[in-house]
Formats: sequence, C-alpha cells, structure tokens
Amino acid sequence: DADVTQTPRNRITKTGKRIMLECSQTKGHDRMYWYRQDPGLGLQLIYYSFDVKDINKGEISDGYSVSRQAQAKFSLSLESAIPNQTALYFCATSDAAEGQPQHFGDGTRLSIL
Amino acid sequence: DQQVKQNSPSLSVQEGRISILNCDYTNSMFDYFLWYKKYPAEGPTFLISISSIKDKNEDGRFTVFLNKSAKHLSLHIVPSQPGDSAVYFCAASANDYKLSFGAGTTVTVRA
Repeated sequence: DADVTQTPRNRITKTGKRIMLECSQTKGHDRMYWYRQDPGLGLQLIYYSFDVKDINKGEISDGYSVSRQAQAKFSLSLESAIPNQTALYFCATSDAAEGQPQHFGDGTRLSIL
Repeated sequence: DQQVKQNSPSLSVQEGRISILNCDYTNSMFDYFLWYKKYPAEGPTFLISISSIKDKNEDGRFTVFLNKSAKHLSLHIVPSQPGDSAVYFCAASANDYKLSFGAGTTVTVRA
C-alpha cells in the first residue's frame, strides 16, 4: 500500500463546480503539502500544514482552500473551478526534522472544462 | 520568478555512459538541495540531497555536486541504465522546509 494516497487519481469537471482532492498518509509525518504542476513548469506550492492546527499559504493559494482533518489527512478544495486550474496536483508529507525529504503521492490529474 | 532553474529540458545518453544534469539557483538563502526522480503517472521520489555545508554527496551511482559561489549544482549518474529514464527535478530549501522546484529535465537512456 502507498504511504501517501491521493484520491481521485483523475477527475474531469466543469467550470464553476466545487472540487475536493483528498490526501491521506500512513507515514506518521506531521507536515503535509499540496503542489500543482503545469506542463513545462516545476511543482508550485499551494498550501502547507506543519500540524493539525497550522495552515499556511504557499506561492499560489488564490482560488484554493485546505482542511487538515487529522494528522493523516489533508484535503484541497477548489471552491469554484476555472479552466486554468487544470493541472496535475500532488500531495506530499515530511518529517519535522531538518533536512528530511518530502514524500509524494502519485498525483491527481484534474481537468476543468 | 523562478528561483531554481533547470535550463536543459531534455538529455539523451547512451546506456553505460555518464548523465550530467545541471541546476542553477538565485536565492542565496537556500541551504539544502535535493534531486527527485519522476516516472509517468507516479509522484516524484526522493533521490539524493546535499546540505550547503558540503560540496559533494554520493549514493551509489548518483553523485550531487554543489558550487555555492556559482549557485550551481549538478547530478551525475554513472553508469546510466535504462531504468534511469525519467524526469529529474532539482529542488531547494531555505531552512523553512518549503521546497522550490526547477522545471525538470527529461532523461532518456538509449540502449
């Protein structure tokens, strides 16, 4: 079983719809992250959480919101989806110790028509 | 404003030869650097890292070199194998645990 699980893996939806992407982890890490990847670009940080009561905006948080329901669960919502939010979305986790790498899920491919 | 740049979008190398991937950064506060490898339909997986207090780190066939004065790092893969064909991302952190990523380099290892 994957340590970092993202659901759904693929989603096609229409402009204006509310979308929720979910992430769960079994690694026991406190820190969780949401990224998006667009063609020809690296991963860009949307939101991150260092523990259940801590939520922080990343580089591109406009149009997105998150919820940290438990240490193991971190969901990303698009309140009113628009076509330029079509992208590949990744969830990641990391240990709190300095220098520890982030571990990624397999991604959600989201298409907004 | 991209703080981490991988200027070569692709690299083709013959099996058994060396692959050299390059990465440049602009933020002098970065103190931790990582390389990730990504296969299609999978998430990035951690490959190797280096702290700013070092200039070289080696792990099997993979070696990362850091030149702080030039704000440049490179990943060497020796020897290259077919399973190394993937997209490689360079990433950097400024001691706040957030990663800034480059756009990636697609490596193709030819038989």
